[in-house]
Amino acid sequence: GQQVMQIPQYQHVQEGEDFTTYCNSSTTLSNIQWYKQRPGGHPVFLIQLVKSGEVKKQKRLTFQFGEAKKNSSLHITATQTTDVGTYFCAGLGAGGTSYGKLTFGQGTILTVHP
Amino acid sequence: NAGVTQTPKFQVLKTGQSMTLQCAQDMNHNSMYWYRQDPGMGLRLIYYSASEGTTDKGEVPNGYNVSRLNKREFSLRLESAAPSQTSVYFCASSEALLGDRKYFGAGTRLSVL
Repeated sequence: GQQVMQIPQYQHVQEGEDFTTYCNSSTTLSNIQWYKQRPGGHPVFLIQLVKSGEVKKQKRLTFQFGEAKKNSSLHITATQTTDVGTYFCAGLGAGGTSYGKLTFGQGTILTVHP
Repeated sequence: NAGVTQTPKFQVLKTGQSMTLQCAQDMNHNSMYWYRQDPGMGLRLIYYSASEGTTDKGEVPNGYNVSRLNKREFSLRLESAAPSQTSVYFCASSEALLGDRKYFGAGTRLSVL
């Protein structure tokens, strides 16, 4: 079945440093979504990428969708303590037995030291 | 506008007890979902309902049942709780089934002793 792997599992940074999390799918995706979950909270939708090679920005966050639509990344520039949380990607399968299945990655837990 | 509301927020059960987790959304969404979240495992889909009157199994349905009571409400039932069902349960909704952003409830933290 479809698998979505995220790396790293944990990342600890000093405030002001950059952070990147990577998402890799075993199958081609129709789209990929990113969610953020604050400690003790629930996942909150950040963005959806649909097109091959797409790049979207939200203030200090940059999201990329790979050319082959099998991988994605989230980059945060100059992290702040408010960025603390777990970042999940979720990929929607494009075909075969994965069609229409949304699979979440395991998440990357980001901690920021002030 | 409350979004997705889950009750209860916390629950402790003994092995073999039953309980129902309630979920309601006020966004007039067609699709609703139940996920469980365990450390290092991400979010795994238990059951989903594409539209009122339909339900389907997700990745990890064993030990659970669901009811789509109406368009607003989607409940998850544990008939005979087991320690392996200790987890955080999230209900979510979306306008349509495929590819739509999901809105999550605050979660139910369940411990089975």
